[in-house]
Amino acid sequence: AQSVAQPEDQVNVAEGNPLTVKCTYSVSGNPYLFWYVQYPNRGLQFLLKYITGDNLVKGSYGFEAEFNKSQTSFHLKKPSALVSDSALYFCAVREKGGSYIPTFGRGTSLIVHP
Amino acid sequence: SAVISQKPSRDICQRGTSLTIQCQVDSQVTMMFWYRQQPGQSLTLIATANQGSEATYESGFVIDKFPISRPNLTFSTLTVSNMSPEDSSIYLCSVWETDQETQYFGPGTRLLVL
Repeated sequence: AQSVAQPEDQVNVAEGNPLTVKCTYSVSGNPYLFWYVQYPNRGLQFLLKYITGDNLVKGSYGFEAEFNKSQTSFHLKKPSALVSDSALYFCAVREKGGSYIPTFGRGTSLIVHP
Repeated sequence: SAVISQKPSRDICQRGTSLTIQCQVDSQVTMMFWYRQQPGQSLTLIATANQGSEATYESGFVIDKFPISRPNLTFSTLTVSNMSPEDSSIYLCSVWETDQETQYFGPGTRLLVL
């Protein structure tokens, strides 16, 4: 079975400060991990993924995430937040060799204050 | 990445009526999915649309209420039948791109049932 947890409903950060959106996962085997962003009145937009290789993954809009196997985490980070980063962020996990259907977290609302 | 379009983008419907949502992908994909999302909430998988066979529905969703067609590898429709205000939601089409090991989403259809 696969599951993912986003422990924070909302994250508030000041513009220019670093941001972190947390995600932890649970799978029986090895994971595929994903981050998506949803802006108001839009569909989900793919940001980045971890499949294999380097634990630090870089994605769109300056976002990055670090795969930490021992902590079963895949936190999303950005060195300097922008007001335009304010959106809903979803983490998802899929077990390698398992179902093609990823499991999504409940979402974290990121609010960047000017 | 796959480019996914949905029609209509939004609609306001009367209770008791039905609405068919179309999903078009610009490339052939094996796996297509339909999700429902309450604004600001996480995703709920309705069904997997299988080409040439009946859709696979998740627990709590039935074919009579959400009939799905998948006539080819680039197109699918979801019908929301006999609508009630509880069906007001965002409906998202999604595909799994096997060669990229990534799931992509359409822009969504925003449905309001009065």
